[in-house]
Formats: sequence, C-alpha cells, structure tokens
Amino acid sequence: DVKVTQSSRYLVKRTGEKVFLECVQDMDHENMFWYRQDPGLGLRLIYFSYDVKMKEKGDIPEGYSVSREKKERFSLILESASTNQTSMYLCASSSRLNTGELFFGEGSRLTVL
Amino acid sequence: RKEVEQDPGPFNVPEGATVAFNCTYSNSASQSFFWYRQDCRKEPKLLMSVYSSGNEDGRFTAQLNRASQYISLLIRDSKLSDSATYLCVVNFKAAGNKLTFGGGTRVLVKP
Repeated sequence: DVKVTQSSRYLVKRTGEKVFLECVQDMDHENMFWYRQDPGLGLRLIYFSYDVKMKEKGDIPEGYSVSREKKERFSLILESASTNQTSMYLCASSSRLNTGELFFGEGSRLTVL
Repeated sequence: RKEVEQDPGPFNVPEGATVAFNCTYSNSASQSFFWYRQDCRKEPKLLMSVYSSGNEDGRFTAQLNRASQYISLLIRDSKLSDSATYLCVVNFKAAGNKLTFGGGTRVLVKP
C-alpha cells in the first residue's frame, strides 16, 4: 500500500519560531509537493521537487523554503513563522509530473500564535 | 477570477437521489482534468480522471465540456458514504503541468 507520512499531525508554534515539516514517501516517486489548504481557497502549491536537491517554486513560495536531500524525504521550512501561516499543510508525491494522481499525506495542522 | 471555480455547497442530498455539480476553469489551454474526493479531516484522494468523451466509474459519471470550459460530476443512487468534499483539479499545460485545485464542493447525503 502506498504511503506518504508527515511527521506531525498537529503543531502549535509562536510567531518568529522556525518550523520544520517533514514528509516521507515509500513509493520511490520522483516528484514531491507541498500544498497548504485554507477554507475557501482550496489547495495552493508552495513548492515542488522533481529530483533530489532540485526544487521549484509553486504559486505561494514566499515565507517558505524546502529541502530534498534524499529521494524519499521532502521538508518544508518556515524560517520565521507568522500568524498568516496558520494552515493545513499537505505533502504529496507522484510518479510523473503531468500525472493527475497525487498521493497525499494526512496533513499537518499548524497554528502560529 | 480564480483559475478553477466550484460552488462550495453544501449540496444536501437524500439517500438514493442523484446529485450533479460543475467546475469551471478559466484557461482554454487546459490539458487534463480530475476529480478528487476529500473526507472530513482526511487527505484528498483521486476519484477519477475526466476524459473528453466522458467516463463512468460505477455510480460516478464525469463529463468535460471544452466549449463552455467546465467539467461535471454526477453521483447516482447516493450513499451516506458519498458525503465528502469533491475537488476539481485541472492540469494547465502552460503552467508547467502543475495541478490547480478548485476550492471544493461539499456534498452531504442524508437518510
């Protein structure tokens, strides 16, 4: 069974703290993605990666960075968390970039106080 | 205008009834289309792809209307377990084959 695992389901952080969200997939997929999901706005792409050490900006990369040192792991970093980054963060992976099938993790709900 | 728009609902549907809803997209150069399902507090999962000729998967039928730039999803004989949010997803070729998600349509099937 395919699996995308996100390290934390719920996090509470304070403004200005550094936040790491980690994602691991066991499907040997080339491509990995970070989305955030907010009510009324749907899923918005933050960053994606199509290979180890490669990264591409999505639609809303400001305030975020990513790291992909190993094929199976894709990390999202908030250097200095702000309250407008309170959201549900979803990691996904896929075997091909133009495939419609993304496999999502269960999500990480981040609250920034 | 959003690139992919959906009626947020909720669509309240009696069990056994048929429900249909649309999703409009703004870019006529869109390449491919999909419906995802997201249960409450769960991750989205691919429900079905949408082909130009229309396609069925059991009680679910997806249609594409390129001229009017919308896709639709029809659910027949609704079950309580069909209660979920249905996300419309469009692959815009010009955007480097990135997927763009609509905000979702919430469907509530009631006994």
